Amino acid sequence: KAGVTQTPRYLIKTRGQQVTLSCSPISGHRSVSWYQQTPGQGLQFLFEYFSETQRNKGNFPGRFSGRQFSNSRSEMNVSTLELGDSALYLCASSLDALGSGANVLTFGAGSRLTVL
Amino acid sequence: GQNIDQPTEMTATEGAIVQINCTYQTSGFNGLFWYQQHAGEAPTFLSYNVLDGLEEKGRFSSFLSRSKGYSYLLLKELQMKDSASYLCAASGGYQKVTFGTGTKLQVIP
Repeated sequence: KAGVTQTPRYLIKTRGQQVTLSCSPISGHRSVSWYQQTPGQGLQFLFEYFSETQRNKGNFPGRFSGRQFSNSRSEMNVSTLELGDSALYLCASSLDALGSGANVLTFGAGSRLTVL
Repeated sequence: GQNIDQPTEMTATEGAIVQINCTYQTSGFNGLFWYQQHAGEAPTFLSYNVLDGLEEKGRFSSFLSRSKGYSYLLLKELQMKDSASYLCAASGGYQKVTFGTGTKLQVIP
C-alpha cells in the first residue's frame, strides 16, 4: 500500500509569507503527527491529530497551526515566516486503532522549507 | 517535560559491534522507540520497547530499563550501509513521541 505522502517536497519562501504543507497518511491510519527537523535541534514535535482533533501540541508559537480532515489527511500552516523556520517538516502517521497512542510512526519524505 | 540524551557521533569498524546509549527523563512514559535515518531520507522504525529487557531482531537488539531511564541499541556485524543517524524516542501518550537529537554512526572499513 502507498506510504505517507507529503507535498510539496521543496519550497522557497520569503520572510513574512505563509506556507501550507500537506500530508496524506497511509490508508487506515487515523493519527497524524508533524515534526520539524533541523541540524541543531533534531526532530521537534509540533502537534498530533486524531479523528480531526488535536490531541497533543509541542512548544511552538501560535504561528504554527494544523488541521486534519475527515479522510485523515492533514495540513500544517506556518504564518509570518521567519528565517529560523527553514527546516525539514516531517509528517508521520500511525494506526492507533484503539486510540491509546502507542503505535509505530511511519514517516513521509518531508517538505523542505527554505525561508529567505 | 521530556528530555532525551544520546551521543552525537560514533565511529565503528565494519564487522564490529556498537552500542548506542540513550537516557531519558519523561512524564507519562509508555515506551522507547529507536529509528534509523539515512542522510536525506525519512526516519524508519527499528524497535519499540515497553517492558524492561532485551529485544533482539536480527543484527539489531534494543534494551530498556524503565527504572533507570536508560536504553541502548546494539548493532552487530556492522555493515557499511549501517552508517546513518540513530534516533532514540520516548512515547509519552497520545502519540507525543519525543525524539533525541540522534547519534550519527559512521562505519569505516
